Parts: sequence; structure tokens; C-alpha cells
Amino acid sequence: QVQLQESGPGLVKPSQTLSLTCTVSGGSISSGSYYWSWIRQPAGKGLEWIGRIYTSGSTNYNPSLKSRVTISVDTSKNQFSLKLSSVTAADTAVYYCARTSSGWGTNWFDPWGQGTLVTVSS
Amino acid sequence: SYELTQPPSVSVSPGQTASINCSGDRLGHKYACWYQQKPGQSPVLVIYQDYKRPSGIPERFSGSDSGNTATLTISGTQAMDEADYYCQAWDSSSYVVFGGGTKLTVL
Repeated sequence: QVQLQESGPGLVKPSQTLSLTCTVSGGSISSGSYYWSWIRQPAGKGLEWIGRIYTSGSTNYNPSLKSRVTISVDTSKNQFSLKLSSVTAADTAVYYCARTSSGWGTNWFDPWGQGTLVTVSS
Repeated sequence: SYELTQPPSVSVSPGQTASINCSGDRLGHKYACWYQQKPGQSPVLVIYQDYKRPSGIPERFSGSDSGNTATLTISGTQAMDEADYYCQAWDSSSYVVFGGGTKLTVL
């Protein structure tokens, strides 16, 4: 079955850009009508959706993060990536990637990657 | 922006039925889904499109959605069901919205 794995630096300095990659295994990122999403969770807090991408390159972003987020996809590597600019301590969180099923008025995440902790600190 | 509200905590005795509510404006006109998250683990989808169960999710998990409230029901709750549960919906303006999460305690 499809599995997802996040990778990237665990420590990012304030004002810099956070960059993460999600590698999809067990299936092609281009097969099926799926979006691919990033979600984060600060320690002890709830889930926050960051954004999603379709393999065509079409994206949707959380309005509250839109000005700082870029999600891209590399179908040749079966990967998609997240860039979050101008980070602050408030961006410290576990970052998850997830396969996203979407239809008219509906959207759900399954499966999820194991998550990767990113700490913003000097 | 669209918001979903969940109670911070729910307690249930083993073998009893647990109900976790998620409220939002006209939520019954949207599709809701639910995730289970155990400590140190990634969330797992347990209900999607209001009431559908993914493969591998026990039948004791069920969902409903009407009016302004979606409900996750766990029948015959087991100790292994103790976890945080998050509801989630899609809104045309906010896109993906999560509830704040409910800690289910089985005691």
C-alpha cells in the first residue's frame, strides 16, 4: 500500500525558509485522482492544514499561510515538497504529509506520513 | 473563516458507547470526517464522508452528520480506543478545517 515519508532539516533559523520533502512509495504519485497535502501540529496542539497540490501542479493553500507557502510536485521522483518562508517560533511543529481524496464538498487524508519535527530557533 | 468546535474531553467506561460531537455552521450540509491520533503517532482516518469506514477500521466506529453537528460514535469502547479525535470538513472559502480535537478517556 501507499506509504509517505517526510524528510528535511529539523532545525531552521528564524526568518529563513523551511523546506520539506515527502516521498511516496508503494504507488505512483500520478495514479488515481489524488491531491497531496501538508498538515502540521504544534506540540500539544491541534492539526492545521497547510495546503495541497494535484499532480497537474494545481494548488490550494490555507488562507492564513498563503503568503508564505509554496507546494510543488516532482512526479519523476514521486515526491512533493513544502516551502514555508519567513518562519518564526510559531512555525515550530510536527509536519505531516498525506494523500488527499477530494470530491465535491469533501476532502479527507489517508494515509499520513509519520511526521517530522521542525524547530525554529537561532 | 469556517470553524469546527469539539469538546476538549470525553470520558467513557469500557464497553459503553462514546459519542464525540463536532459543531459548525450548517455542518450537516457538508461532509465530515474523523481522525484518531494516539500519543506519538500520526493521525488515522476512521470515518470519511460522514459515515463511511475505511478498510481496517472496526465496525464499532460509526459517524453521522445532521443540522450543525457531526457525531463520532464508538460502540463497546475498548481501552485501545483511548486517543485524541479530530473532526474535519471542507469549506469553499477556508478549504480544509479541523476541529480542535477531543481527548477520549476510557476509564
